[in-house]
Amino acid sequence: GENVEQHPSTLSVQEGDSAVIKCTYSDSASNYFPWYKQELGKRPQLIIDIRSNVGEKKDQRIAVTLNKTAKHFSLHITETQPEDSAVYFCAAAMGKGQAGTALIFGKGTTLSVSS
Amino acid sequence: DSGVTQTPKHLITATGQRVTLRCSPRSGDLSVYWYQQSLDQGLQFLIQYYNGEERAKGNILERFSAQQFPDLHSELNLSSLELGDSALYFCASGHLRGSYNEQFFGPGTRLTVL
Repeated sequence: GENVEQHPSTLSVQEGDSAVIKCTYSDSASNYFPWYKQELGKRPQLIIDIRSNVGEKKDQRIAVTLNKTAKHFSLHITETQPEDSAVYFCAAAMGKGQAGTALIFGKGTTLSVSS
Repeated sequence: DSGVTQTPKHLITATGQRVTLRCSPRSGDLSVYWYQQSLDQGLQFLIQYYNGEERAKGNILERFSAQQFPDLHSELNLSSLELGDSALYFCASGHLRGSYNEQFFGPGTRLTVL
């Protein structure tokens, strides 16, 4: 089955710096790669996703890239702010179709942004 | 607010007991996924229902079962509870956007087994 590895497990940056989180997946059939942000005690919140027919997607300060050949995908946050501090999870799934499949998650990255 | 509701928010119970967690998906969404989040295991998929039928199983113990009702709400039943079952249990609603299924999570139920 699918396996998702996520690095680093913790990341500390200064406010205004960029942060990059990287994930690899094992199942070449996966075609949907969402990223979730989870604050302490709260639900995982979908912040951006990328589908396998796209190499890059950007939404304001957040961008995701996908390299299907290498089975890598990454989250880039620019101009970080203290409110970006949270745990970020990458995930992979076969998301195409009426029902889709379950998300397989990485272990998470704890991002700390200090002002 | 994701539009997904879960009850109760917190549950405290004893080993050996049985509990039921409830989830209502977003209006119009047919899929419900259950995930368990513990400190050592991260977010793990338990089971998926689509339009009332079981679609896929993940790392779900035999002591756990679920169902999805005609109104599309779902219940996760946990029995013969053990200390290690203490965790956050999330359900997610599968929303078709374009031809892909996005998943939106409910607020979760925190289960504590004493």
